[in-house]
Amino acid sequence: DTEVTQTPKHLVMGMTNKKSLKCEQHMGHRAMYWYKQKAKKPPELMFVYSYEKLSINESVPSRFSPECPNSSLLNLHLHALQPEDSALYLCASSQVRSGYEQYFGPGTRLTVT
Amino acid sequence: RKEVEQDPGPFNVPEGATVAFNCTYSNSASQSFFWYRQDCRKEPKLLMSVYSSGNEDGRFTAQLNRASQYISLLIRDSKLSDSATYLCAVIPGNTPLVFGKGTRLSVIA
Repeated sequence: DTEVTQTPKHLVMGMTNKKSLKCEQHMGHRAMYWYKQKAKKPPELMFVYSYEKLSINESVPSRFSPECPNSSLLNLHLHALQPEDSALYLCASSQVRSGYEQYFGPGTRLTVT
Repeated sequence: RKEVEQDPGPFNVPEGATVAFNCTYSNSASQSFFWYRQDCRKEPKLLMSVYSSGNEDGRFTAQLNRASQYISLLIRDSKLSDSATYLCAVIPGNTPLVFGKGTRLSVIA
């Protein structure tokens, strides 16, 4: 089973709202990732968690706040977003942080109004 | 030089054609290489890992050339369902995956 699940599938939020994206995997993977993808561009890495600790933050604005409650779950808390933050947000996981293929969830399509 | 550079698309090919994509990487210490397929408005799906000895899965063949620092993906007997964006991805040492920009393939009846 190489399934990563994400909720919600779609999200529309105003610039003053607070919302959260959720990601779950049950493959026993110890590395989890958040990516942002704009149309016709490759996925752009935002955060990496390795063994439930944040190991990489790619200079992401603080209006995006990741959280890893346990080895299977990854959240992305959103607050005071801008319209340019509208994108597909992808979660991925891999066995460990380096050297292994990543498996992606279906993504959350976020629209900020 | 960008870390991972990929053939610009789009590639428009007839059904049954053979098509090849190349992807070059700049970090000679890179150890892991992959091809992903991404359909419109969907997530990237792992198509193949690329091994030093090359690997084949049905109509798909992936090769690695360490000397010239590139990986390739060959699709034989193209099907309409192969139409997608193909992303190469490289792990350049002890860092996360780096994606190429992707190449769009359209297989035409």
